[in-house]
Amino acid sequence: TQLLEQSPQFLSIQEGENLTVYCNSSSVFSSLQWYRQEPGEGPVLLVTVVTGGEVKKLKRLTFQFGDARKDSSLHITAAQPGDTGLYLCAGVNWGYKLSFGAGTTVTVRA
Amino acid sequence: DAGVIQSPRHEVTEMGQEVTLRCKPISGHNSLFWYRQTMMRGLELLIYFNNNVPIDDSGMPEDRFSAKMPNASFSTLKIQPSEPRDSAVYFCASSAVGGVTDTQYFGPGTRLTVL
Repeated sequence: TQLLEQSPQFLSIQEGENLTVYCNSSSVFSSLQWYRQEPGEGPVLLVTVVTGGEVKKLKRLTFQFGDARKDSSLHITAAQPGDTGLYLCAGVNWGYKLSFGAGTTVTVRA
Repeated sequence: DAGVIQSPRHEVTEMGQEVTLRCKPISGHNSLFWYRQTMMRGLELLIYFNNNVPIDDSGMPEDRFSAKMPNASFSTLKIQPSEPRDSAVYFCASSAVGGVTDTQYFGPGTRLTVL
């Protein structure tokens, strides 16, 4: 049973469109991380959000942590083919213990 | 700079055989993690070492799995005997403990197939 539920499971959009991925949990985490994983590689950390209500921007990516620190969202503006990949959220406890969601596979068509 | 190095990248073995996966963490990192990724269960933490000492092995599936870290630059994950349900991608990650949330750097993974 996964502690973190991600939705949607799959997302296919045209280049230039926007997309949002959601990550929800019934548990509270000390922080939450988002990763991107490409085929044949390990996950790569994109961002860590720590404070409830926090919003972080990384170029065209916007990450939000819910006020209760149980949910988060990732929004990509004007998606590009290079954004294609598996996006994983992970709740963090005790500074090291990551509990991953199942992931959202994003495909951006040129 | 070299990232986390894992070997082999691919392993195909038969049920009942012993499998050993290897990991070299990033130099200077004092925490090492082994994860398993499957379609059914996603990415799961198997074991966490800090300063070469196992701290949390609650994710190790059963006695067939064992992990060692004899020094700061090398770790192994061993499965004996292997079973088809052990087929998965196994990742090693390392981090430098010190911050509020320490960034874990993942290796490229070992794809294990048990026939």
